[in-house]
Amino acid sequence: QVQLVESGGGLVKPGESLRLSCAASGFTFSDYYMNWIRQAPGKGLEWVSYISTSGRTHRYADSVKGRFTISRDNAKRSLFLQMNSLRADDTAIYYCARGPPFDFWGQGSLVTVSS
Amino acid sequence: QSVLTQPPSASGTPGQRVSISCSGISSNIRSDTVNWYQQLPGTAPKLLIYSNNQRPSGVPDRFSGSKSGTSASLAISGLQSEDEADYYCAAWDDSLNSPVFGGGTKLTVL
Repeated sequence: QVQLVESGGGLVKPGESLRLSCAASGFTFSDYYMNWIRQAPGKGLEWVSYISTSGRTHRYADSVKGRFTISRDNAKRSLFLQMNSLRADDTAIYYCARGPPFDFWGQGSLVTVSS
Repeated sequence: QSVLTQPPSASGTPGQRVSISCSGISSNIRSDTVNWYQQLPGTAPKLLIYSNNQRPSGVPDRFSGSKSGTSASLAISGLQSEDEADYYCAAWDDSLNSPVFGGGTKLTVL
C-alpha cells in the first residue's frame, strides 16, 4: 500500500534552517510528481512546492520562493524540502503529497519557528 | 485570502443532504478539474473526489462532486456523524501555474 512518511520537523529560531524528508513506499516513486503542502495551526491548506518526476522542474509558492528548495532522490524513493531563513509564519504541519491530484498524503511533520 | 472561495461553515442533521460550494475564476476552475479533500480532526487530508466527480476506491457513493463554469460543488447525502470534518477544494491555476486551494469548509453534523 502507498505510504508517505515525513520526518525532520522540529522547533527552530527565526532565521535558522531545517530539512524535511518524505520516505515513499508502495508505488513507483519515480513515476510521480511530488508536492509539499503545509497547514498553519488552525488554518487551511497551502501548497508550497512541487517537483517533477525527474527533478528537473520545480515550482514554489511566492511565500517561500528563494528560501525553500525542493529535491528528490528517486533511487532512495525520497522527497526533501530544504527550508532556510525560516520565519514565524512558516510554522505549520508540512505534508508531502503525491500527484496531482494529491491522492496520497503523509501524516505530516510539525515545524515550529519561534524565538 | 484563498484563491478559491468556500463557505467557512456548513451544517446538517443525520440523514440530510448538504452541499459545499467552491468558487473560482476562468484560470482555475473553468479551465481545469476540481478535487475535493476531507480532513478529519487531527488527521491528514484525504482525497475524496477527483476530476470533478470521480470517487477514489473506498469513498462511499454518498459523496459526489460537480462543476459548472467557474464553480464546483461537493454534495454529501445521507449525512452521518463521521462526516464531521473540514472539506477543501483544489484546482490547478493556469495563471499562477500552480495548484490552489479553497479556504476550507467546516462541516458540523448537528
